[in-house]
Amino acid sequence: ETGVTQTPRHLVMGMTNKKSLKCEQHLGHNAMYWYKQSAKKPLELMFVYNFKEQTENNSVPSRFSPECPNSSHLFLHLHTLQPEDSALYLCASSHVTSGGYKIRAGELFFGEGSRLTVL
Amino acid sequence: QKEVEQNSGPLSVPEGAIASLNCTYSDRGSQSFFWYRQYSGKSPELIMSIYSNGDKEDGRFTAQLNKASQYVSLLIRDSQPSDSATYLCAGGMDSSYKLIFGSGTRLLVRP
Repeated sequence: ETGVTQTPRHLVMGMTNKKSLKCEQHLGHNAMYWYKQSAKKPLELMFVYNFKEQTENNSVPSRFSPECPNSSHLFLHLHTLQPEDSALYLCASSHVTSGGYKIRAGELFFGEGSRLTVL
Repeated sequence: QKEVEQNSGPLSVPEGAIASLNCTYSDRGSQSFFWYRQYSGKSPELIMSIYSNGDKEDGRFTAQLNKASQYVSLLIRDSQPSDSATYLCAGGMDSSYKLIFGSGTRLLVRP
């Protein structure tokens, strides 16, 4: 497999369920991101991991819990979500040098996304 | 609050014309800007990055950056129906890892 892969592509869950989204990148990148895309709204950054360390938590509710076991894998654990959390969740990766040089960090490679519906 | 502003469109151009997409940003400290293309039902795809004032050309695409005016644009020459998509402008990943996206401009290229 190449690029950034996300599973599942579609997920329907009730408000009391617990589920997880998975992302895997095969590009050798060292930064991974979770973005949320809702209708009529800009892409919204949720979490950033650089070299497995979380560097951004964009005021995301605790019902979303990220996990980054290594620089190739990223998870988003979901529990007690609300209907307004229904959206497309996009994983992305980019290259950041070990010195923190960020110029190319904005060159994101996105996965196909996980379409989440909360009932 | 750092912001990236785009006209939502749709911008409709005939096939073969030049499509001009524009974006303004609020953060004067931003150094890096990016254009992503998103087809309906698909994820965004990077098409251009620009890091310095002036023009950058790549095939039919030209990105323009004017830091004094806080303005970024994307020109698509010889537009094709396959260029019909939403174009997202993004910038701001300089002091943090937070790339700020605009809401996107929908482009329609009429055959």
